[in-house]
Amino acid sequence: EAGVAQSPRYKIIEKRQSVAFWCNPISGHATLYWYQQILGQGPKLLIQFQNNGVVDDSQLPKDRFSAERLKGVDSTLKIQPAKLEDSAVYLCASSLRPPFGGKNIQYFGAGTRLSVL
Amino acid sequence: EDQVTQSPEALRLQEGESSSLNCSYTVSGLRGLFWYRQDPGKGPEFLFTLYSAGEEKEKERLKATLTKKESFLHITAPKPEDSATYLCAVRGNNNDMRFGAGTRLTVKP
Repeated sequence: EAGVAQSPRYKIIEKRQSVAFWCNPISGHATLYWYQQILGQGPKLLIQFQNNGVVDDSQLPKDRFSAERLKGVDSTLKIQPAKLEDSAVYLCASSLRPPFGGKNIQYFGAGTRLSVL
Repeated sequence: EDQVTQSPEALRLQEGESSSLNCSYTVSGLRGLFWYRQDPGKGPEFLFTLYSAGEEKEKERLKATLTKKESFLHITAPKPEDSATYLCAVRGNNNDMRFGAGTRLTVKP
């Protein structure tokens, strides 16, 4: 079974530039998550999709971050404009079941390492 | 607000030297406690889920236990390939996963 695919693996940009990350979840997984992992910290949830609808984006900095999941499969996370503090690894995860009402295991991709100079 | 604290931050062991990692948590209505392993440059890899106090799960040299306030990840006779960061996370009534900062384990041959 193929895992969660993310691209690019690395990205270096200057502050105030824009950047986009792509994620393809495990086939059949309806729930998709984007996390931000700053060096030395655990992952922090940014946004959660159920099929192509947003379930939770309470921790997404909406003035600069946006995400979409058209057709309920692939997803894109965008930062526009980037700040120095956005330097982190952006992880995508997917799960077969939604987190509410049942057992739920999230499977992670390898992440995109973003450096903002 | 849900909180997860992992200790120690870093642990260095000799090969074969057993030890335990701690995950203390506060959560509104525990719906699951998760252990993940993360290697450098990779995403977290799922290890275990525990749902209720007293539950235990094992996989090779790893054993996870759960009480109402904390979870332990016991590592028996570790090998160098067990070197990684071990992350603990909880899900509460809000259904969000809250991660700890992790314990960085190094096993020397």
